[in-house]
Amino acid sequence: EDQVTQSPEALRLQEGESSSLNCSYTVSGLRGLFWYRQDPGKGPEFLFTLYSAGEEKEKERLKATLTKKESFLHITAPKPEDSATYLCAVQVSGGSNYKLTFGKGTLLTVNP
Amino acid sequence: GAVVSQHPSWVICKSGTSVKIECRSLDFQATTMFWYRQFPKQSLMLMATSNEGSKATYEQGVEKDKFLINHASLTLSTLTVTSAHPEDSSFYICSAPGPGEQAFFGQGTRLTVV
Repeated sequence: EDQVTQSPEALRLQEGESSSLNCSYTVSGLRGLFWYRQDPGKGPEFLFTLYSAGEEKEKERLKATLTKKESFLHITAPKPEDSATYLCAVQVSGGSNYKLTFGKGTLLTVNP
Repeated sequence: GAVVSQHPSWVICKSGTSVKIECRSLDFQATTMFWYRQFPKQSLMLMATSNEGSKATYEQGVEKDKFLINHASLTLSTLTVTSAHPEDSSFYICSAPGPGEQAFFGQGTRLTVV
């Protein structure tokens, strides 16, 4: 069974305090790993897609990396507006296109 | 980017009644759409895959007679929660694969059954 585990469940940072979120996955074959941001009461907003180990992608203060077993979302010098739940999801090879299996998410709070 | 519009954003209904939620792809066509349910502090759980012109595919444990899905056109899928009960109260989200590899999500619908 495909599994996605995110840690920590919740993270509190001071503004400017860099940190990383973890997403560990166990799948039969990885087609792609996705990171989303979700604000309270809203649908997920796409951030990144990673396809192969060693791949990295950046967007503003966020950087996502991928290994064969896990992905990290690095947040550099976060701001209060970065507060949200960050979701990791995997798409499995040979499965239905675009079908995603999600982790429970990490609730990030950045204090000013 | 591609836009998926979901309506309503919230709804309160009485136990035993039915509620319809709409999901539209505004600027692209979607032959497939996905319906998720999310309980507080839980992951998005896939309920079913909506296929334009054919029957929906339901995930294990999801009652197809309770959660009716209709994908009548290339831009519209609907989820009807029939005979709703308080345990059906949840956040329902649809998504559609758009341009590129990522799925685009609707704003979500908060359903409260009283």
